[in-house]
Amino acid sequence: EPEVTQTPSHQVTQMGQEVILRCVPISNHLYFYWYRQILGQKVEFLVSFYNNEISEKSEIFDDQFSVERPDGSNFTLKIRSTKLEDSAMYFCASSEQGAGATQYFGPGTRLLVL
Amino acid sequence: AQTVTQSQPEMSVQEAETVTLSCTYDTSENNYYLFWYKQPPSRQMILVIRQEAYKQQNATENRFSVNFQKAAKSFSLKISDSQLGDTAMYFCAFLYGGSQGNLIFGKGTKLSVKP
Repeated sequence: EPEVTQTPSHQVTQMGQEVILRCVPISNHLYFYWYRQILGQKVEFLVSFYNNEISEKSEIFDDQFSVERPDGSNFTLKIRSTKLEDSAMYFCASSEQGAGATQYFGPGTRLLVL
Repeated sequence: AQTVTQSQPEMSVQEAETVTLSCTYDTSENNYYLFWYKQPPSRQMILVIRQEAYKQQNATENRFSVNFQKAAKSFSLKISDSQLGDTAMYFCAFLYGGSQGNLIFGKGTKLSVKP
């Protein structure tokens, strides 16, 4: 069964460094998403992406975040200058269609900012 | 703004028994979707079941079923014949039909299935 994959599974970085989290969505899916889960808190929506454009973003997704589909398979989340409070689990998801569609999640990347 | 509340932080059930996880939500919208996701210790978020708000019939997937009460804004998950592999964190989630993907999650219920 097709799955969303994410790399790396864990990443440790120093405050102020840039990180890129990578995702490979399910191959026939056209809509892509990033969520994050700070330890002990709810899963929160960051951004949705379709046709090489951001469709919707939350207040969390400020100028330090960016997303990109650099090729036909990868979908990336870049955090330009990491802060301690960016430490969280980051989940990528994808769906075949847009509004109302079921989203399929990857296993997550645990980011620790020191 | 939509909110999702799961009032049971932890629950346990004996293997082969039935358990119900609660979820309530708040919205003024009519066009929306509800989901239950399961997150086992491996951390992969797995879809359990989906319900369209316009459908009166409760969704069912094998041992998993929901009790969708639209007027009460309640969406509980029933797991029948619980198995050890059902041990996981269960998240209820709301998706507004006009949204481009903003799933709103509850805080989750940690379910332990005991042998």
